[in-house]
Amino acid sequence: AQSVTQLDSQVPVFEEAPVELRCNYSSSVSVYLFWYVQYPNQGLQLLLKYLSGSTLVKGINGFEAEFNKSQTSFHLRKPSVHISDTAEYFCAVSAQGGSEKLVFGKGTKLTVNP
Amino acid sequence: DAMVIQNPRYQVTQFGKPVTLSCSQTLNHNVMYWYQQKSSQAPKLLFHYYDKDFNNEADTPDNFQSRRPNTSFCFLDIRSPGLGDAAMYLCATTLTGGYGYTFGSGTRLTVV
Repeated sequence: AQSVTQLDSQVPVFEEAPVELRCNYSSSVSVYLFWYVQYPNQGLQLLLKYLSGSTLVKGINGFEAEFNKSQTSFHLRKPSVHISDTAEYFCAVSAQGGSEKLVFGKGTKLTVNP
Repeated sequence: DAMVIQNPRYQVTQFGKPVTLSCSQTLNHNVMYWYQQKSSQAPKLLFHYYDKDFNNEADTPDNFQSRRPNTSFCFLDIRSPGLGDAAMYLCATTLTGGYGYTFGSGTRLTVV
């Protein structure tokens, strides 16, 4: 089975500051890793994903994440945030093969202040 | 645009009155999922269809059932909604191979 830990439930930052949202996972099999964003009363939107290959992946809206196998981490970063980045961010993992059920972390609420 | 559509966006139902939520997709994805998301919590998988095969999570209450009459449509039936079933219900689809899920906008269910 897989599990995901998002270490920070809330992250407040000022506009144009850099941000890192932390995610660690555990799994006994190879996995795919994802970050999703959720705006209020909306579904989840895929920001980026790691399948294989280069450990640095770039996504939409200027976000990027780095896969670190030895530390079983997949932290999300953005060099300069905007007010519009205020949302809930979910890290998720799925085992490769089969139905690829997503297991989510508990989420990190990012609040960008002016 | 290809997408996942959930209807309705908001549903109010009475305690104990059966309710059905619907999901349709134009992506021709073979896997469909239903998640329940309560306020300030992560989405929780209720069940999924891998092609035509139905898979129920062990802790999904018997009160929840699902139907997938064809590739494009999937329904979530709540036979006797309780106050604790008030939540956002999310439908998602994917193709196997690490494509990631495509989510619908969700249905916000209120039980009165």
